[in-house]
Amino acid sequence: NAGVIQTPRHKVTGKGQEATLWCEPISGHSAVFWYRQTIVQGLEFLTYFRNQAPIDDSGMPKERFSAQMPNQSHSTLKIQSTQPQDSAVYLCASSLDVRGGQNTLYFGAGTRLSVL
Amino acid sequence: GDKVKQSPSALSLQEGTNSALRCNFSIAATTVQWFLQNPRGSLINLFYLVPGTKENGRLKSAFDSKESYSTLHIRDAQLEDSGTYFCAAEARDYKYVFGAGTRLKVIA
Repeated sequence: NAGVIQTPRHKVTGKGQEATLWCEPISGHSAVFWYRQTIVQGLEFLTYFRNQAPIDDSGMPKERFSAQMPNQSHSTLKIQSTQPQDSAVYLCASSLDVRGGQNTLYFGAGTRLSVL
Repeated sequence: GDKVKQSPSALSLQEGTNSALRCNFSIAATTVQWFLQNPRGSLINLFYLVPGTKENGRLKSAFDSKESYSTLHIRDAQLEDSGTYFCAAEARDYKYVFGAGTRLKVIA
């Protein structure tokens, strides 16, 4: 079991460009979460999916951020027109399920996004 | 205000000594998780807790949902315990709210 896989590990974009971050959850896990980590704000919830369906995107900046989960083996986080304040480590986590005491989160190594 | 407040924010421990980290919640947490973020940045899950206690080697954690707090006890601290410890409380709709972390440095 390779754990949660995030690619790329590092991404540098220019202001105004688009960035797409990828996450492959642990096989068999039905829940996928996205978090963002910065020095100032700490770990912030962005969005999560259960059985590929979007459940809660209350943490997502509305205008430029979007997330999808087209199949059970990967999820993407897309940031359009990136801004310097989007610079952060984006973390993906998966769990067996959100219910029944199975919501132990396993995190990937993260994608460090730097917007110049 | 902070929904999950961790204390202390930083801690330095002599190798072989014991310590306790604490999280206080201002939200109605149903479960709690503790993580260690190592110097490489990876978040490692230490405990998943419903109200009660769990122990794993030199680590022991407790969660009291009525008093809204959780603790993580480290016994016989080792150099490899260094890193940042995060607690996270399960809020509504199964998502977790994280504390700001406790930076722990174990010195020889």
